[in-house]
Amino acid sequence: AQKVTQAQTEISVVEKEDVTLDCVYETRDTTYYLFWYKQPPSGELVFLIRRNSFDEQNEISGRYSWNFQKSTSSFNFTITASQVVDSAVYFCALIRTNNDMRFGAGTRLTVKP
Amino acid sequence: NAGVMQNPRHLVRRRGQEARLRCSPMKGHSHVYWYRQLPEEGLKFMVYLQKENIIDESGMPKERFSAEFPKEGPSILRIQQVVRGDSAAYFCASSPFGVGQESGNTIYFGEGSWLTVV
Repeated sequence: AQKVTQAQTEISVVEKEDVTLDCVYETRDTTYYLFWYKQPPSGELVFLIRRNSFDEQNEISGRYSWNFQKSTSSFNFTITASQVVDSAVYFCALIRTNNDMRFGAGTRLTVKP
Repeated sequence: NAGVMQNPRHLVRRRGQEARLRCSPMKGHSHVYWYRQLPEEGLKFMVYLQKENIIDESGMPKERFSAEFPKEGPSILRIQQVVRGDSAAYFCASSPFGVGQESGNTIYFGEGSWLTVV
């Protein structure tokens, strides 16, 4: 079975706070890819990051960072010093070597000024 | 380099009518995917196509839905005899190679087409 769980349905923080969005996945495959997408209120899906299952290095891009831990099947996303413009729904997704990308249900992040 | 282009962005159809959603992949991308997002839900895979071929349609409803990606022109997702339950956002995505290939297997999404059935 292949499944992505984003247990946090909604998170609300005040601007400048750090926030971590959790993503836990299930797959029996040894080769797979993990993604994070952002869906702002305008509705489009914005690609944030792709990580393959053999690369457990954490990644930092500006205020964004990702922590990939195969031991716990997690691929968590942290926003440092959050801003109002970070308000969006964030989706974690998993794809194997087939073509079926499985998305989590999404976490709605609200950053208040 | 334009991204994945979808049109129309918004479409209203009466029950029983047909809906056609178009998707032009990014330049150089020959792999197209369609996903559906129901209100307040995540995205669900529908179909994966390459030029003139349906590779995987395991997520497509068995009836009323069809997809094509002709040699020339955009990919089309067609919904016949729409019902209220078809109201959703339909996202198209493209990639330069198949997902199983490491290089360039990032999948980019279009802005979505919102279908409302009244």
